[in-house]
Amino acid sequence: AQKVTQAQTEISVVEKEDVTLDCVYETRDTTYYLFWYKQPPSGELVFLIRRNSFDEQNEISGRYSWNFQKSTSSFNFTITASQVVDSAVYFCALSYNFNKFYFGSGTKLNVKP
Amino acid sequence: DTGVSQDPRHKITKRGQNVTFRCDPISEHNRLYWYRQTLGQGPEFLTYFQNEAQLEKSRLLSDRFSAERPKGSFSTLEIQRTEQGDSAMYLCASSSTPNTGELFFGEGSRLTVL
Repeated sequence: AQKVTQAQTEISVVEKEDVTLDCVYETRDTTYYLFWYKQPPSGELVFLIRRNSFDEQNEISGRYSWNFQKSTSSFNFTITASQVVDSAVYFCALSYNFNKFYFGSGTKLNVKP
Repeated sequence: DTGVSQDPRHKITKRGQNVTFRCDPISEHNRLYWYRQTLGQGPEFLTYFQNEAQLEKSRLLSDRFSAERPKGSFSTLEIQRTEQGDSAMYLCASSSTPNTGELFFGEGSRLTVL
């Protein structure tokens, strides 16, 4: 069974604070892919990153970084020096074949000026 | 390149009526997905097409739901005899070949069943 858990329903931070969004997944597959998507208030989900199960290297892209740890089945997302424009709902997702994607329930991030 | 477009954006209907949603994917994207999202939840998989073939369908999709993708271009999702529990946002997404797993989502069609 595939499952993605995002335990943090909502997080509020003040601009310029760092924030980490947690994602824990369950799968029996040895090959799988993990994703993060952003859903701004306008509603359209936007792809942020994909990670392969065989590549545990962490990734940094500007103010965004991702920490993938197979040992704890986690794929956490950190925003450094948060900005008001980062306010959105963030979803973690899992897929083993790109046919079906399993999304977590999302974490709503509020960044206050 | 225009993005994924969905129509209508919002549909209000009475229980028992049929509704149909349309999705136009990004041109040349051969994979098309339908998801359903309720308030405070993540998208739930409904069905997936590769070209015109419907390759996977969720058990969530009762007999009242049907999706088509004639000619492998646009897709329609029809819900017959709507129920209040069908109220949700219906999201369409497409992806390209070779498939990197990156989904391009539309803005969704919100269904309200009274």
